[in-house]
Formats: sequence, structure tokens, C-alpha cells
Amino acid sequence: GQSLEQPSEVTAVEGAIVQINCTYQTSGFYGLSWYQQHDGGAPTFLSYNGLDGLEETGRFSSFLSRSDSYGYLLLQELQMKDSASYFCAVSYSGAGSYQLTFGKGTKLSVIP
Amino acid sequence: DGGITQSPKYLFRKEGQNVTLSCEQNLNHDAMYWYRQDPGQGLRLIYYSQIVNDFQKGDIAEGYSVSREKKESFPLTVTSAQKNPTAFYLCASSIDGRDAKNIQYFGAGTRLSVL
Repeated sequence: GQSLEQPSEVTAVEGAIVQINCTYQTSGFYGLSWYQQHDGGAPTFLSYNGLDGLEETGRFSSFLSRSDSYGYLLLQELQMKDSASYFCAVSYSGAGSYQLTFGKGTKLSVIP
Repeated sequence: DGGITQSPKYLFRKEGQNVTLSCEQNLNHDAMYWYRQDPGQGLRLIYYSQIVNDFQKGDIAEGYSVSREKKESFPLTVTSAQKNPTAFYLCASSIDGRDAKNIQYFGAGTRLSVL
């Protein structure tokens, strides 16, 4: 089975840096993804780590340590529009295809 | 514009009634998924389909049924056997589910409530 743990809520100041952690226990692990969801909206893909290390995409970076079953999403130069829920998701193989299992999400509030 | 269209946006179900949620995509994706999201919770997989005329149960399939008669369409029926159907339902698609990255693209969701 798969299980993921991430903080339920995080608050940070506009312009600051925030890190959202994710730990997982997964059989058949292939990678860790991050999705963003604004209130009442559709989740959108942010990043994917299949190998250990840091992936950078603009203001967002994501990190994976397979040996520690741990990853994080780093958001820099926070903007008010970054207020949203962030989900980590593990990619695993099952029934001939890859599936995702999502964490419960971290609600990020950016304050002025 | 390419994307995923879910309808209706809001749906109300009476006791003992089956209701069907629509999901259509024009991205030419092979794989499609249905998730359920409860307040403060993550997305839980209900059903998925890798190709037309084939689908697999996810983690919480009981009380739900699907069909995949066309590549573009993956409707979800919430049956009367689903005793707690109130939730936000999200449909997603990905190119083919054969890549571990498996980027999924989501529709805007259907919010189902019980009368």
C-alpha cells in the first residue's frame, strides 16, 4: 500500500520562502509529484522527481531523497496568488500502468 | 482549447437515486481517472481506464460504476449503494499512464450533494 504524510497547514509572509515536506511509505515507488489546487479549483501539476536531488522550475523547486522516503516543495518569493493547497503524490506501478496516490494536502496561506 | 470538461458543476441526488457525472476530454489521452475529494482530504482514486472498453477499480470503487465506450468520454455513475456520496468529484486524464511521471490533467470538478 501507499501512505503519505504532509503538514495540514502552513502560513508564510509574502516575499518569503516556504518549504512543504512530504514523507511516504510506498511499495513499488517510482517518483514524487507535486500538484497545486486553489480553493474549489482543479489540481494542476507543478513538478516531478524521479531521481534524488533538486528540480527547479522558476520560483518553485522540488527535492527527493529516495533513501529517506522524503521530499519537499520549496516556494520562493511568495506571492498572494500562491495561497492554495499543495499535494504530494507518489507514482507507483500497478496493473500494467503507473498510478498516483495523493497525500491529504497542505493548505498554504500567504499573508501580507 | 484542449482540456477536460466535467458536467454538471453542481449535482443533487435524492435518496435511492443513481446519478451520472460526465467527463469529456479532447486531449487525445488514452488514460482517464476519477477521484473523490472530501473536505481537507486528498484525492482518492475511484476508477481508472487505460484504454477504451477497459477500466480498473481504484481504492474506493464500491458504490460507483464507470464505462469507457469512447476514448474521449469516461462517465461516472454514483449508485444508490454509495451511502455517503457528498463530495467533490474530479476527473483527470494522462497521455497513457505508461510513463512513471504520469502527469494528470484535471477537469473543474462536480460537487455532489445529497438532498
